[in-house]
Amino acid sequence: EDQVTQSPEALRLQEGESSSLNCSYTVSGLRGLFWYRQDPGKGPEFLFTLYSAGEEKEKERLKATLTKKESFLHITAPKPEDSATYLCAVHGYNNNDMRFGAGTRLTVKP
Amino acid sequence: GAVVSQHPSWVICKSGTSVKIECRSLDFQATTMFWYRQFPKQSLMLMATSNEGSKATYEQGVEKDKFLINHASLTLSTLTVTSAHPEDSSFYICSARGLPNTEAFFGQGTRLTVV
Repeated sequence: EDQVTQSPEALRLQEGESSSLNCSYTVSGLRGLFWYRQDPGKGPEFLFTLYSAGEEKEKERLKATLTKKESFLHITAPKPEDSATYLCAVHGYNNNDMRFGAGTRLTVKP
Repeated sequence: GAVVSQHPSWVICKSGTSVKIECRSLDFQATTMFWYRQFPKQSLMLMATSNEGSKATYEQGVEKDKFLINHASLTLSTLTVTSAHPEDSSFYICSARGLPNTEAFFGQGTRLTVV
């Protein structure tokens, strides 16, 4: 069964303090690994899709990377508006749906 | 990214009544739609997957007679919570995926409160 584990559960950073969020996964054939951002009381907002090991994607202060076992979401010089829960999900060839991790709750203090 | 609209964003209903939540893909055809439930500070719990024109596939433990899902067109899916009770109070979120994409796009969510 496809599984996703995210760490840390919560992360508090000072503004400008770069860090990384981890997503470890097991899947029987990866169709895609996804990163979403979710603000309280709202639906998740799509950030990235990664398809194969070695792939990287960037968007503003965020960069997502992928290996055969895990993905990292790197946040460079974060700002308070980057505070949110970041969700990782995988879609395997044996499933029609995505499997989500529990998320990392990021707080960036000014 | 693609736009998915979910309505209503919040609803309060009396115990025993039914509530319908709509999920629409506004600028793409959604071959598959998903319905999730989310408890405070927890991740998304998949309730069911629906493909246009066919019956929804429910996850283990989800009552199909209580949570009625209809995916009648490529742009609309509905979730009806029948005979709602206070324990059904939660945040319900839909997502939609259209070919050839693998990623799914989410609606804004619906906060249901049953009193």
